[in-house]
Amino acid sequence: SQQGEEDPQALSIQEGENATMNCSYKTSINNLQWYRQNSGRGLVHLILIRSNEREKHSGRLRVTLDTSKKSSSLLITASRAADTASYFCATDIQGAQKLVFGQGTRLTINP
Amino acid sequence: EPEVTQTPSHQVTQMGQEVILRCVPISNHLYFYWYRQILGQKVEFLVSFYNNEISEKSEIFDDQFSVERPDGSNFTLKIRSTKLEDSAMYFCASSALRTMGYTFGSGTRLTVV
Repeated sequence: SQQGEEDPQALSIQEGENATMNCSYKTSINNLQWYRQNSGRGLVHLILIRSNEREKHSGRLRVTLDTSKKSSSLLITASRAADTASYFCATDIQGAQKLVFGQGTRLTINP
Repeated sequence: EPEVTQTPSHQVTQMGQEVILRCVPISNHLYFYWYRQILGQKVEFLVSFYNNEISEKSEIFDDQFSVERPDGSNFTLKIRSTKLEDSAMYFCASSALRTMGYTFGSGTRLTVV
């Protein structure tokens, strides 16, 4: 299977609830990043967590990284309708000169 | 906030024609990338570029593709002899350092007919 697999593929929740998305990867990384993509638009960088970090916060975002399990999670608290988008994890692989993106989670926030 | 600018936003071309997709990265960024996304599918790496040369390319980036930084600001992707399966969104990105987050442009939607 692929580097950067995300689950769930789609998530639909009510406004105000928390949304959790997960990402698993296969190889050693320098860092892991999360991006958001609104339909038909470019990717927007949300947060970066380095391989020696376990948790990071930015506003309503919380990212965790478990390098022993090769997995990460993105938590969006108190979701808003404007959070509706696709969310991608991307791994900065050691020895490579690129980010490798997962398949993404399509998040829908219902008002 | 600084932006990565891509032109055109949409290009329609006939199969077999050559296209040039243009990007203006953020001025103090040193690392440049091209990715593509076929509709509804994952974001695929094409090529990374640093210090005026390709630092890594994917198996997709074959002889049909080339990149160039013709001056101090532009970064172009040329696709020779386009095929139907080249239809996709093409994204340019740049970063200040190798291990920092990327800033993506809004993309060029390429349609090959």
